[in-house]
Amino acid sequence: AQTVTQSQPEMSVQEAETVTLSCTYDTSENNYYLFWYKQPPSRQMILVIRQEAYKQQNATENRFSVNFQKAAKSFSLKISDSQLGDTAMYFCAFMTYLGTYKYIFGTGTRLKVLA
Amino acid sequence: EAGVAQSPRYKIIEKRQSVAFWCNPISGHATLYWYQQILGQGPKLLIQFQNNGVVDDSQLPKDRFSAERLKGVDSTLKIQPAKLEDSAVYLCASSLRREGEQYFGPGTRLTVT
Repeated sequence: AQTVTQSQPEMSVQEAETVTLSCTYDTSENNYYLFWYKQPPSRQMILVIRQEAYKQQNATENRFSVNFQKAAKSFSLKISDSQLGDTAMYFCAFMTYLGTYKYIFGTGTRLKVLA
Repeated sequence: EAGVAQSPRYKIIEKRQSVAFWCNPISGHATLYWYQQILGQGPKLLIQFQNNGVVDDSQLPKDRFSAERLKGVDSTLKIQPAKLEDSAVYLCASSLRREGEQYFGPGTRLTVT
């Protein structure tokens, strides 16, 4: 069975500093996708970044980048130059094809950016 | 482009009552998902549609939950009868392709008393 673990329920970071959110997963599949989603307070969940498992290069999107370690089954999110608007719940998610596409979300990390 | 729409935004019912949620996905998105997000947990996929056909409902409690997507556009999720443990936010999402980015609606917060 596939599992996604986010071991940091809450984190805080000073504005303009860098923070890293951890995510580990377990799967016996070789082909899959990993995602980080952001859920701001009282707002809709949006995709932050996506990584295909077959790609060795780590994905980046502006201030957001990932450290994808396939052998270690680790997928951490780094937020550089943190902004107050980054305050949100962050969910790590895993997707693979097992006859149909299966999606599993972690329990989330609540990030607070401090002014 | 308009986002995923859901209604109602909030609903309070008593246990054993029934309730229905509505979702209108982004135009052209073939895949539609319903998730249950219990407080303090990540979203759990309940059911996935491809056009108007169900492709995965393995985690849907079928004795009380049902969902349909008529004409491959709007979808409704129903709970009958509701239990206290059904209190959660119900999220609808859609995507252009099944392996693509999911776009989420604002969710419906259900409280069962």
